[in-house]
Amino acid sequence: DVVMTQSPLSLPVTLGQPASISCSSSQSLVFSNGNTYLNWFQQRPGQSPRRLIYTVSNRDSGVPDRFSGSGSGTDFTLKISRVEAEDIGVYYCMQGTHWPYTFGQGTKLEIK
Amino acid sequence: EVQLVETGGGLIQPGGSLRLSCVASGFTVSSDNMMWVRQAPGKGLEWVSIIYGGDSAYYVDSVKGRFTISRDRSKNTLYLQMNSLRAEDTAIYYCAKDATGSIDYWGQGTLVTVSS
Repeated sequence: DVVMTQSPLSLPVTLGQPASISCSSSQSLVFSNGNTYLNWFQQRPGQSPRRLIYTVSNRDSGVPDRFSGSGSGTDFTLKISRVEAEDIGVYYCMQGTHWPYTFGQGTKLEIK
Repeated sequence: EVQLVETGGGLIQPGGSLRLSCVASGFTVSSDNMMWVRQAPGKGLEWVSIIYGGDSAYYVDSVKGRFTISRDRSKNTLYLQMNSLRAEDTAIYYCAKDATGSIDYWGQGTLVTVSS
């Protein structure tokens, strides 16, 4: 199985400041059709996960534009340009290129 | 609007069985690939099982031979039959809709606790 490794696992951030989470995969996530199926999910406390980003950089409907995804091959990044209080939670990357889908360990975003 | 609502969780003794249900609305479960993902208390996410359009199914190694995924087109419902439950199966179980290399919708989850 493809191993997804996130860093950091804990991310204390000041409100209004930027935040960045890295995710690396043990294999290239480029699919045979040229797409890269790397996703980012947000899980707020007590809630189910919610998709923020798919195919590396495409934001879901309703996701604020302060969230952005980038990367290629095996290295990816989720950036929040200015952290707001509602962004508190755990962020997971997930690859959907290789079966089975696998998740990163999660990064807990907390306010300083 | 797509919605997924899971039921069927609870407290069960080791070796027991439970059947989880996930009622879908806003789309047809038989037309999309559907899966179950679980999250042990305080832990990360783990894919458990998927059922494809042709009803072929796959499972994570730890549940093979014990869990069975299925769906009922007439009830627009996804199921997970869980037998021979173990303490390590304790988790919130989420029903999720596959979206070509992604998961676009999640249910609210149902908690399964395996304990004597």
